[in-house]
Order: sequence, then structure tokens, then C-alpha cells
Amino acid sequence: GAGVSQSPSNKVTEKGKDVELRCDPISGHTALYWYRQSLGQGLEFLIYFQGNSAPDKSGLPSDRFSAERTGGSVSTLTIQRTQQEDSAVYLCASSFYEGELFFGEGSRLTVL
Amino acid sequence: AQSVTQLGSHVSVSEGALVLLRCNYSSSVPPYLFWYVQYPNQGLQLLLKYTSAATLVKGINGFEAEFKKSETSFHLTKPSAHMSDAAEYFCAVRDTGGFKTIFGAGTRLFVKA
Repeated sequence: GAGVSQSPSNKVTEKGKDVELRCDPISGHTALYWYRQSLGQGLEFLIYFQGNSAPDKSGLPSDRFSAERTGGSVSTLTIQRTQQEDSAVYLCASSFYEGELFFGEGSRLTVL
Repeated sequence: AQSVTQLGSHVSVSEGALVLLRCNYSSSVPPYLFWYVQYPNQGLQLLLKYTSAATLVKGINGFEAEFKKSETSFHLTKPSAHMSDAAEYFCAVRDTGGFKTIFGAGTRLFVKA
């Protein structure tokens, strides 16, 4: 596709379950980012991947959060043992080197 | 480490009035600066960016921003607000030579008829 694609667009899960969120970046983009957007909290940086370099994981809030990027393209954000405070919109973005970020529509996660 | 402060979580203006959304940044090296807009139920899109060329940057939909190093500011302005400008606006900073992009908390703009 032409833009950043995220799935699922909505996910409702029970506390304690694991969830996986997928991001398909724009073809050819070298960098991929994950952010979390909570009501009134702005965009919280989680992690970014750039080419074959080690990812910057400095924003991951706990060891329940992890992400991988396979083949320099698709990325999966995994949240283990979900908690209610994990409820948020998870945004993925990609960029070509240091260019502007292009965002997906987000995955809205609700933890009951 | 970079940081961004957006003054005012909500700004309300009348249609036709000046829009001024404030952004101050902190960066240990010359930064790249961005303004993004998020319309209701949509993703974020770039309004404009500063990448160390001209200090006055013009963006889409009549918006512009001025980089002021002495004030560490990158405020967003538009001479005349339109109803369609109602949205949330985010300022972001990235260190030159880096990839980590930090966003502010956002400012929601309301436009009154």
C-alpha cells in the first residue's frame, strides 16, 4: 500500500492476556517508530528501528513490552500480561532516513 | 536529551482571528523541528518542518512557524483561523544526526464561528 498500515484497528482484550499489534511501513522507508497516545498525554515514544542498527528501546515502559522488525519491514509490538493502564492508541510511523514521519491510523487497545 | 513543551493544552479562537500555538524545545545539539496536525479520528500528518535552512518555515493550509534559537521556540501561527483548522496540533523535536523524535503533549485548537 501507499501508506503505513496498522492492524488491528481496534482490539479489546482481558487483563492478563497478551496482544500483538502489527505495522506495515511504507515500502523503502528505513526507519520505523512506535508511539503510544493516551487521552491527554500526547505521543509517548516507545521504540524505533533504523536499518540494521540495534533498536532504540529507551521508551518501552516495562519489560512486558517488546517489539521486533522482521526483514527490515513489518514490525510487531507485543504487550504481555496486559494491564488496564495499557489501554491507549498505539501509533506506528515510518520515515526515509531523517525525513518526516508518516503515521498509520493507529491500533486502539482496550484492556478490560 | 530532547524535550518539547507545548504551552496550553487547549486554545480557542474565533474564525478569522490569529492562531498562535506555542512550542519550546530542549536539545543538546541543533535540532530538527516539526509541527504535525491530527484531525478528529485521523492519523497525524506533517504541517511543516525546520531542518536548519530558513528560520521562517511555511507549511500547508497557511500555517507557518519561526525557529528562534535564542528563545528555543518554534511557535506555530496562522493569520486567519478557519473552522476546518479545528484539530490537535503536536510539536516535535529530533536531534540532527539522530532518529529519535520526541513529541509534545499536544494543543487542541477550537475555532468559534
